[in-house]
Amino acid sequence: ILNVEQSPQSLHVQEGDSTNFTCSFPSSNFYALHWYRWETAKSPEALFVMTLNGDEKKKGRISATLNTKEGYSYLYIKGSQPEDSATYLCAFGSGNTGKLIFGQGTTLQVKP
Amino acid sequence: DAGVTQSPTHLIKTRGQQVTLRCSPISGHKSVSWYQQVLGQGPQFIFQYYEKEERGRGNFPDRFSARQFPNYSSELNVNALLLGDSALYLCASSFDRAPLWEQYFGPGTRLTVT
Repeated sequence: ILNVEQSPQSLHVQEGDSTNFTCSFPSSNFYALHWYRWETAKSPEALFVMTLNGDEKKKGRISATLNTKEGYSYLYIKGSQPEDSATYLCAFGSGNTGKLIFGQGTTLQVKP
Repeated sequence: DAGVTQSPTHLIKTRGQQVTLRCSPISGHKSVSWYQQVLGQGPQFIFQYYEKEERGRGNFPDRFSARQFPNYSSELNVNALLLGDSALYLCASSFDRAPLWEQYFGPGTRLTVT
C-alpha cells in the first residue's frame, strides 16, 4: 500500500511569519510529486509538479524542494499573508497513469 | 478559457439509488480523472480515462463506473448508493495521462446520501 504523509496536520501563524510543511512519499517507483493549494469553496489549484531529484521550484513567496531518494518534499512560504490561508496537499504519482496518491493535507491559518 | 466544469454542484440521494456526475475538461485536455474526497482526508483516486479508455482504477467497488465521450467529457456513475458514498467528488483534467502533467480540478460535486 502506497502511503503519502503530510505534517503538520494544521498550522496557525502570524502574518509575516515564514513556514514550511513536509510531504513524505514512497522512494520507489517515483514519477512525479504534485503540490496543490485548496482554498475553502474553491477548486484545488496546482502549485508545482516536480519530477527530478533535487528539483527546486518557486512561485512568488512559495517554493518547494524534492528529495526522491529519501522520499520527501518541503513546501516553504516566506512572509505568510492571510490570503495564504488554505489546505496544502501533496500528491505522489508513479507509473504511467495519471493516478495521484494524495496526503491528508496541511491546513494553514494566517492571522492578520 | 473555461476551466474544468462539473455538474451538478450538490446532490441529495437516498440509499440504494443511482447517481450520475458529469465533468467537462479544459479544451484540449484528453485525460479526465475522478477523485473522492471525504472530510479530513485527501482526495482518493477512483478512475482515469484517456482517449475514451480506462487507464487507471483505484480501490473502489464495481458499483462505481465511468466513461469518457468523444468530446473528452466524462460521467461517473455510482449504483446502489451507501451512506459511506457521501463525499465531494472531484474531476481533474490534464493534457496527457502521465503523472508529470498538471491536473486541473473542477469545483466538485457534493453528494449526500441519506
